[in-house]
Amino acid sequence: AQSVTQLDSQVPVFEEAPVELRCNYSSSVSVYLFWYVQYPNQGLQLLLKYLSGSTLVESINGFEAEFNKSQTSFHLRKPSVHISDTAEYFCAVNTASGNTPLVFGKGTRLSVIA
Amino acid sequence: DTGVSQDPRHKITKRGQNVTFRCDPISEHNRLYWYRQTLGQGPEFLTYFQNEAQLEKSRLLSDRFSAERPKGSFSTLEIQRTEQGDSAMYLCASSSRQGGNYGYTFGSGTRLTVV
Repeated sequence: AQSVTQLDSQVPVFEEAPVELRCNYSSSVSVYLFWYVQYPNQGLQLLLKYLSGSTLVESINGFEAEFNKSQTSFHLRKPSVHISDTAEYFCAVNTASGNTPLVFGKGTRLSVIA
Repeated sequence: DTGVSQDPRHKITKRGQNVTFRCDPISEHNRLYWYRQTLGQGPEFLTYFQNEAQLEKSRLLSDRFSAERPKGSFSTLEIQRTEQGDSAMYLCASSSRQGGNYGYTFGSGTRLTVV
């Protein structure tokens, strides 16, 4: 079975500062990895995903994540955050076969301070 | 394509009552998932369908919970004899494996409060 650990439950950061949200996973088979974002009172939105190929994946709003197989990590980074990035961020994993449902971490609340 | 729709958005019910939620997935998606999310936690998997077949159920899905997806279109999740511990956000998602896209599209959720 797969599992996800998000090491930080809350991350406060000043506007325009860089941020890293950490995610580690556990799996005995090849995996696909995802980051989802949830704004207050809304559903989850896919931010970015790693399926195969380049280990560095990017989103349209400046976030990036790097798949590190040896460290079983998929940390999310942004070089300069905005107030609008304040949200809950969830890391998720499923098997590369796609036949298992997504398993989510407990989430990291990113609070951007003006 | 209007995304994944869930109805109602909010439901307040008395303990012991039955409730039913509906999810309308993206029309071309053949997979539909139900998750439960409580405060401060990530979504927890409940069950999923491929077309009309229910392929997997979590141990979280007690006998009081039942889900259906008749004709492989919309899905309903029913909770019988609700308990206060059932209070949560119930999320529905759909996906398609076509084109190698394994990302899920989530609805806005149904927030259940059992009083």
